Amino acid sequence: DVKVTQSSRYLVKRTGEKVFLECVQDMDHENMFWYRQDPGLGLRLIYFSYDVKMKEKGDIPEGYSVSREKKERFSLILESASTNQTSMYLCASSLIVGSGRETQYFGPGTRLLVL
Amino acid sequence: SQELEQSPQSLIVQEGKNLTINCTSSKTLYGLYWYKQKYGEGLIFLMMLQKGGEEKSHEKITAKLDEKKQQSSLHITASQPSHAGIYLCGARRGGTSYGKLTFGQGTILTVHP
Repeated sequence: DVKVTQSSRYLVKRTGEKVFLECVQDMDHENMFWYRQDPGLGLRLIYFSYDVKMKEKGDIPEGYSVSREKKERFSLILESASTNQTSMYLCASSLIVGSGRETQYFGPGTRLLVL
Repeated sequence: SQELEQSPQSLIVQEGKNLTINCTSSKTLYGLYWYKQKYGEGLIFLMMLQKGGEEKSHEKITAKLDEKKQQSSLHITASQPSHAGIYLCGARRGGTSYGKLTFGQGTILTVHP
């Protein structure tokens, strides 16, 4: 079974703090993704990575950065947390199989509260 | 950009009843995924449809893809409390997308015993 883990289930931080969210997958997947999920807005893609050290912006990258130094680990960084970054953050990974059949597998999520 | 609209937004049913959730895309569907989410948790993959007319089933859940209508439906037969949760559809973006998905806003399903 694919396993995607996230470093924290719940996190409380203060405005202006630097926040690191870690995601690890154990299935040697090439692609990894970070989303945030907000009521009424659904899941929105922040960043994704298709290989080590490779990253591309998603739909809402402002205020975030990412790091992928190892294939299994994808980190989301909030350089200076703000209250509007309070959200549920979800990590996902997928294997490149071609023919458009990549399936994303999700971690349990990190609920971040910025005070 | 592609948009996915799910209907209904929420659904309350009595245990044992059948129900259907729809997902309609504003653009051509290249691949349609269904996920289930328990409140406050991650998404669990249910099934993926790629070809028009394709239909897949898993236990009491059946999903169909109508490519011409740019729509997919998820049908649950004889619902149980364990089916409760948020159902989300996700569509594969066209082009070189690295498997990126666009998601609908989700349908909240409540099943009363």
